Amino acid sequence: ETGVTQSPTHLIKTRGQQVTLRCSSQSGHNTVSWYQQALGQGPQFIFQYYREEENGRGNFPPRFSGLQFPNYSSELNVNALELDDSALYLCASSLTSGGQETQYFGPGTRLLVL
Amino acid sequence: SQQGEEDPQALSIQEGENATMNCSYKTSINNLQWYRQNSGRGLVHLILIRSNEREKHSGRLRVTLDTSKKSSSLLITASRAADTASYFCASSSSNQFYFGTGTSLTVIP
Repeated sequence: ETGVTQSPTHLIKTRGQQVTLRCSSQSGHNTVSWYQQALGQGPQFIFQYYREEENGRGNFPPRFSGLQFPNYSSELNVNALELDDSALYLCASSLTSGGQETQYFGPGTRLLVL
Repeated sequence: SQQGEEDPQALSIQEGENATMNCSYKTSINNLQWYRQNSGRGLVHLILIRSNEREKHSGRLRVTLDTSKKSSSLLITASRAADTASYFCASSSSNQFYFGTGTSLTVIP
């Protein structure tokens, strides 16, 4: 077990709706990253938060947004859901940012958009 | 888009044999990490090799890194059925991680 939890485990939404996914990092980890993994693909980096500020972003549109809280929890919000947003969403926490540290992944939230 | 590729995409071996997976990446890196994933669940960290290292060992795992060729390899020795999973390399640059496409390893008992 990595000590990183995510909720919910599964979620079904319809196109155009909004969704919030939650992650609880390891205690003491200041950095959380979010990834989208389509079926049969590797994870794609969405963004990273360090001490409650976004400090890195992949090639995802603004309708993907996030929040990080002082209690080591974080959220991924996706607005105006599209069918292609169906995927496994993974969060990962690490001690610091900068890519020098091991990331510890949660089990993921599987989102299906109909 | 992903900035890494693993080779082969799929690998099937007998228990006890060695498995070798290769990874190529595109940008300069701080480090390269290998992860394992079982059946679409969360990723488990296996090993990290820094950009100034050339080889690293951890148990039955051996990782090499060639920054001049922008490539890495993961060797699993004496494979077990429980090693069946997908394996990903992840290159780290600044505040981003770039995962490859993965190698699906099947170890036949």
